[in-house]
Amino acid sequence: NAGVTQTPKFRVLKTGQSMTLLCAQDMNHEYMYWYRQDPGMGLRLIHYSVGEGTTAKGEVPDGYNVSRLKKQNFLLGLESAAPSQTSVYFCASSYSSNRAASGKFFGPGTRLTVL
Amino acid sequence: RKEVEQDPGPFNVPEGATVAFNCTYSNSASQSFFWYRQDCRKEPKLLMSVYSSGNEDGRFTAQLNRASQYISLLIRDSKLSDSATYLCVVRSDNFNKFYFGSGTKLNVKP
Repeated sequence: NAGVTQTPKFRVLKTGQSMTLLCAQDMNHEYMYWYRQDPGMGLRLIHYSVGEGTTAKGEVPDGYNVSRLKKQNFLLGLESAAPSQTSVYFCASSYSSNRAASGKFFGPGTRLTVL
Repeated sequence: RKEVEQDPGPFNVPEGATVAFNCTYSNSASQSFFWYRQDCRKEPKLLMSVYSSGNEDGRFTAQLNRASQYISLLIRDSKLSDSATYLCVVRSDNFNKFYFGSGTKLNVKP
């Protein structure tokens, strides 16, 4: 099992450019999440998905879009990158609520710098 | 008020010491509780779940106090490799709501 994987690992963008971050999991988890982590701020939820074809907004969704076309993949898009989106992005996945005791599994992160 | 609050530390302890962290949560309906460990520039990794009766995993002991709404993590016989940031995580009755603390930094020194 690869667990949760993310591509790319690093990226530098110019303001206004667009990009897509890819997250993949092979644990057959129903739920998937995108977080950003900034110094001193902890993890903040951007968007999440409770199943294929469904997405929902988290705590800080502005400037991001997501899609979950396949159960194992969750894509995070930045349509017009801004310097405020410089951050480390973590994807995570977990089982559904009927396994409430299970935690989340995180990918290795994508370090994004917007100049 | 934050959903989950932790002392950011750092806690600087010598090898072999016992150290404890607490974390408080605001939602009394919270159902699941976890401790995660995050190394510098790495992803958070699940350290252990926290059960109402308390649970132990080797040198690590986690406890939950629902009445006072806090969870704790005790690390005995600290190792240099325990140096990391420890994140407290609370899952609410709304299944998709995980709340992360900002983390407590632990430095174990020789």
